[in-house]
Amino acid sequence: EVQLVESGGGLVKPGGSLRLSCAASGFTFSTCSMNWVRQAPGKGLEWVSSISSSSSYIYYADSLKGRFTISRDYAKNSLYLQMNGLRAEDTAVYYCVRGLGVVVPAPFDFWGQGTLVTVSS
Amino acid sequence: QLVLTQSPSASAPLGASVNLTCTLSSGPSNYAIAWHQQQPEKGPRYLMKLNSDGSHSKGDGIPDRFSGSSSGTERYLTISSLQSEDEADYYCQTWGTGTVVFGGGTKLTVL
Repeated sequence: EVQLVESGGGLVKPGGSLRLSCAASGFTFSTCSMNWVRQAPGKGLEWVSSISSSSSYIYYADSLKGRFTISRDYAKNSLYLQMNGLRAEDTAVYYCVRGLGVVVPAPFDFWGQGTLVTVSS
Repeated sequence: QLVLTQSPSASAPLGASVNLTCTLSSGPSNYAIAWHQQQPEKGPRYLMKLNSDGSHSKGDGIPDRFSGSSSGTERYLTISSLQSEDEADYYCQTWGTGTVVFGGGTKLTVL
């Protein structure tokens, strides 16, 4: 059974940092691209970042302006999102999402349940 | 710049059929999209990848009641024999060079 389990969310002050993790299981992690997508309260889905299966290709939404970094650990079958300089507008549920195939960008074919990040003083 | 446009809301009676539309507002008309469903208080679920020629491949466990079709810059999701659990938000997604775009979503109400 495919599973994506996010962790690391919580309450952080503006300007602070947070590292999200996503534990993947039930599929061959090294052969799939991976992604982060967020959803602000009551809003739609917003793409955050994508990383190819080999980590050779990485893309970010323009709105992030270099504050976020995506990475993956093949030994741990895990995906990460390092978030720095957090702002109130980064408050959202963050989803770990599997991509179809090895390249990015790609359609998304499996979603985690999400982890809530709240940025507030 | 890739832009996907969806109607904010749609409704149909229980047991009926409904078509949801996703319009590629810019870029070539041959873009594929993916449809995702988000039931209330849940994470999204992948429904299908839909190509510009109307061919589509569905995710695991997606009922036959869900189908897709295409015409020009329009991409459709058809849900037949509507059930109460189909009441959800539906998002289309596409991708281009270095970017991924979502439509604004359509909230489907089953009457």
